[in-house]
Amino acid sequence: EVQLVQSGAEVKKPGESLKISCKASGFSFTNYWIAWVRQVPGKGLEWMGFIYPGDSDTRYSPSFQGQVTLSADKSISTAYLQWSSLKASDTAMYFCARPKSPAGIDGFSVWGPGTVVTVSS
Amino acid sequence: DNQMTQSPSSLSASVGDRVTITCQASQDISNFLNWYQQKPGKAPQLLIYEASYLETGVPSRFSGSGSGTHFTFTISSLQPEDVATYYCQQYENLPLTFGQGTRLEIK
Repeated sequence: EVQLVQSGAEVKKPGESLKISCKASGFSFTNYWIAWVRQVPGKGLEWMGFIYPGDSDTRYSPSFQGQVTLSADKSISTAYLQWSSLKASDTAMYFCARPKSPAGIDGFSVWGPGTVVTVSS
Repeated sequence: DNQMTQSPSSLSASVGDRVTITCQASQDISNFLNWYQQKPGKAPQLLIYEASYLETGVPSRFSGSGSGTHFTFTISSLQPEDVATYYCQQYENLPLTFGQGTRLEIK
């Protein structure tokens, strides 16, 4: 079964670091872009960026460039989203997602269940 | 960035009604447009890709059309399980962008 399994909910304080994960199974991890999408409570979907695990090519939305780091470990088919210093405004649900086509960026047909990140002092 | 503007932002319709949502792109995106359904607390689900192609397993009452800058998403006969928020998303250029969403309720 093709699926993305995300790490569990996190509660952090402002200024702390965090790395959340998205483990892929059922498909060739190195052949698909893996995207991250943010959803602030009660708001819409925002594309943060994606990574191509095959060669670690990474593209960021200008809104998130420099704010987060995307990475991937091919050996365990896992993608990561990382913050070095969290802010309260990072409180959101974070989804990882995979496009329909290998090496393409068409419709996201596979989604993880999401990871809730809460940043509060 | 390519801004995607959906309308309406919310709507209420009766079971069996035909429902239409529009999505306007600020730049020509050809047919590089997707539609998603998101139910509360769940991940989005792809319904329509490349503007008009129905994703596998999605009921045929859902359809999409359009090209260039103007797109339409239609539910031919609204069902109770269609209560959700619907988003368009362009992938003609980076950054990928979503519309602000349309919240659909049953009257």
